[in-house]
Amino acid sequence: GENVEQHPSTLSVQEGDSAVIKCTYSDSASNYFPWYKQELGKGPQLIIDIRSNVGEKKDQRIAVTLNKTAKHFSLHITETQPEDSAVYFCAAYLLRGSQGNLIFGKGTKLSVKP
Amino acid sequence: DAMVIQNPRYQVTQFGKPVTLSCSQTLNHNVMYWYQQKSSQAPKLLFHYYDKDFNNEADTPDNFQSRRPNTSFCFLDIRSPGLGDAAMYLCATSRTSGRFYEQYFGPGTRLTVT
Repeated sequence: GENVEQHPSTLSVQEGDSAVIKCTYSDSASNYFPWYKQELGKGPQLIIDIRSNVGEKKDQRIAVTLNKTAKHFSLHITETQPEDSAVYFCAAYLLRGSQGNLIFGKGTKLSVKP
Repeated sequence: DAMVIQNPRYQVTQFGKPVTLSCSQTLNHNVMYWYQQKSSQAPKLLFHYYDKDFNNEADTPDNFQSRRPNTSFCFLDIRSPGLGDAAMYLCATSRTSGRFYEQYFGPGTRLTVT
């Protein structure tokens, strides 16, 4: 089955710096890769996603890149702000028959220091 | 404009006392999921409904059951909660037609077992 590895598990940056979180997946059939932000005591919030027919996607300060050959994808946050502090989860969508499920990485706790 | 609503947000139950958590959605999505999330861990899929079809994950304990009376509502029943069932329970929805895989999460229900 699909396995998603996420690194680092914790990341601390200074406000204004960039943050990068990396994930690898094992099943080449996976074709959709979302990123979720989860603040303390809240449900995960979809912040950006990328499909396998695209190499990069950007939304303001957030960007995601996908390397299908190497089976890895990354989240880039530029000009970080204290409100970016949260746990970030990557995921890969695995199709099983006619249905699919998300396989999550273990999460990265991002701390942005003012 | 809440899209995925979970009630209650906090639930305390006694060891062995049945408890029901509820989820409703205004997105008219055909798929609804229940996840269990323990502290500092990724969400773990328990089961999902694809329309009316129930899909149980292989490692979901028999203690956990679910009902989906209509498109908008889904319930998680824990028949005899143990201390190990204390966790955040997340409901999510998605629309699976064509290329749409996005899952949207509710705010979660924090379950405490005493």
